Amino acid sequence: GENVEQHPSTLSVQEGDSAVIKCTYSDSASNYFPWYKQELGKRPQLIIDIRSNVGEKKDQRIAVTLNKTAKHFSLHITETQPEDSAVYFCAAGHTYNQGGKLIFGQGTELSVKP
Amino acid sequence: ETGVTQTPRHLVMGMTNKKSLKCEQHLGHNAMYWYKQSAKKPLELMFVYSLEERVENNSVPSRFSPECPNSSHLFLHLHTLQPEDSALYLCASSRQGSDTQYFGPGTRLTVL
Repeated sequence: GENVEQHPSTLSVQEGDSAVIKCTYSDSASNYFPWYKQELGKRPQLIIDIRSNVGEKKDQRIAVTLNKTAKHFSLHITETQPEDSAVYFCAAGHTYNQGGKLIFGQGTELSVKP
Repeated sequence: ETGVTQTPRHLVMGMTNKKSLKCEQHLGHNAMYWYKQSAKKPLELMFVYSLEERVENNSVPSRFSPECPNSSHLFLHLHTLQPEDSALYLCASSRQGSDTQYFGPGTRLTVL
């Protein structure tokens, strides 16, 4: 069935370092890859997304890369700050007429130490 | 944030109780979703509604019964739940034909 694998499950970095989270997906029909950040006790918040017609997208300290051939995509956070500490979820999905279907990864708990 | 709201935020119920979770979106969307988030597990899609019609039902037990009376409201009716159903239940919405989903704050459900 459709599956998204996310690694690592936990990641601890020093403030100012970079953090990289990787995901692989199984459904070749997937064409949309969002990343969500979920702080403790809060809702998942969309932080960046990429569609299959581009290979990279950047928004300030956050970037996402996509390799369709290998079916994997990654989140890169540079110059990490303590407020980046949260659980990050990747997802792979596709749009159909009625809506969108997302399959989520298991999540990565990022801890940024001051 | 007030785009997608959920009530109640916390719910404790016994296995014989009947309760309902409510989701409301104020974004003008017409597709709505229910997800289950358990500890140490990825978000699991339960139901998808588009234009008030159910278009996806991911093998969810019948003790969970969704209802979408209009494009702004989504309910999840619960009856005879099991302790393993304890989880955070998240609602999300999107525009029809769009893949960008926005989440509500969730209902933390505990089944005793």
